Amino acid sequence: QVHLVQSGAEVKKPGASVKISCQASGFTFTLYYMHWVRQAPGQGLEWMGRINLMGGGTSYAQKFQGRVSMTRDTSTNTVYLELTSLTSEDTAVYYCARGGEILVIYYYMDVWGTGTTVTVSS
Amino acid sequence: DIQMTQSPSTLSASVGDRVTITCRASQSISTWLAWYQQKPGKPPKVLISKVFSLESGVPSRFSGSGSETEFTLTISSLQPDDVATYYCQEYSGYWTFGQGTKVEIK
Repeated sequence: QVHLVQSGAEVKKPGASVKISCQASGFTFTLYYMHWVRQAPGQGLEWMGRINLMGGGTSYAQKFQGRVSMTRDTSTNTVYLELTSLTSEDTAVYYCARGGEILVIYYYMDVWGTGTTVTVSS
Repeated sequence: DIQMTQSPSTLSASVGDRVTITCRASQSISTWLAWYQQKPGKPPKVLISKVFSLESGVPSRFSGSGSETEFTLTISSLQPDDVATYYCQEYSGYWTFGQGTKVEIK
């Protein structure tokens, strides 16, 4: 069974950085893409970017270019999201979500992580 | 980037009613469209991919239709368990979500 288990809640001050993790199990890690999606309190879903779990190549939403980094560790089947220069507008639940296989160009998000709450407050 | 516009933003209907949610794309996305259901405090769950392909385990009362820029999600007979927020998403390279439709029981 496919599972994506995320790290625990974080509280950060404005200007700080946060790095959250998503550990995958139940599938061949390096054959897939992984996306990150966030949801501010009471708001909708916002795509942040995706990472190729085989080669590590990334594609980021323009809004986050320059302050987001997605990496992976194939030895532990873990994906990381780092977001820098945090403001109160980054307060949200952050989800990892599995995309399609590497050779599939267009694919939706078929399995979602447990979610990580990030609160940015002075 | 592609914009996805859902309507209505909130919908209130009675148990057993037929419910339809509309999603419009700002440009053609062919059939690269998915629908997700999200219940409070939970991650989204995919219901339908490629416009009309029902995911395994999803009740047959859910169906999808459309192409290019206009799409619909239909619940043929609304059930109490369907109370949730529904999102459309294009996955033609931008993975943009609609703003969501909250479905309530009248």
